[in-house]
Amino acid sequence: DTEVTQTPKHLVMGMTNKKSLKCEQHMGHRAMYWYKQKAKKPPELMFVYSYEKLSINESVPSRFSPECPNSSLLNLHLHALQPEDSALYLCASSQVGGRDGYTFGSGTRLTVV
Amino acid sequence: SQKIEQNSEALNIQEGKTATLTCNYTNYSPAYLQWYRQDPGRGPVFLLLIRENEKEKRKERLKVTFDTTLKQSLFHITASQPADSATYLCALDRDDKIIFGKGTRLHILP
Repeated sequence: DTEVTQTPKHLVMGMTNKKSLKCEQHMGHRAMYWYKQKAKKPPELMFVYSYEKLSINESVPSRFSPECPNSSLLNLHLHALQPEDSALYLCASSQVGGRDGYTFGSGTRLTVV
Repeated sequence: SQKIEQNSEALNIQEGKTATLTCNYTNYSPAYLQWYRQDPGRGPVFLLLIRENEKEKRKERLKVTFDTTLKQSLFHITASQPADSATYLCALDRDDKIIFGKGTRLHILP
């Protein structure tokens, strides 16, 4: 299996809602990532997990809370988001160190209303 | 500060010609550089990785060069086809993560 699967594909949520984005891979990768991408901009790194431990947090607001329950799964919990958080959220995985390239999922299109 | 620059925001190339995209970086010495393709509304797709001690890498119609003296990578698509139209992103490694350039939107004109 050479895919990274993200669910849901689309999500609309209110500013008081709590929701979660899910990501799954079965490639044996031990590094997983969350990126945020706004229209016509490059992906921006949010979090890096290495061997199921959070290794990098790019100063992301606490309303975004990542979780890595096991080596195949990565979640992003969302709470009290703002309209400016609307974006495409991308999950990726790789070998630790990323020196064979990253495999990205198709993303979750999030709209905060 | 470290910068990654992809020289063109958009590039139009006639079908059958070679498309050449440029990625420049400053204030940094990456161990490797990657190129990705991204279609609208989809995640990036990994194409090629080139290491600092490699001058050139090829994969089918794709060729990447890496000049650490010029701090530049060139990405070539030969015999370009309309299906090659997409945004192409270069990415550099930094501290166990990769950072993307802004990308070049490539349009192959039939």
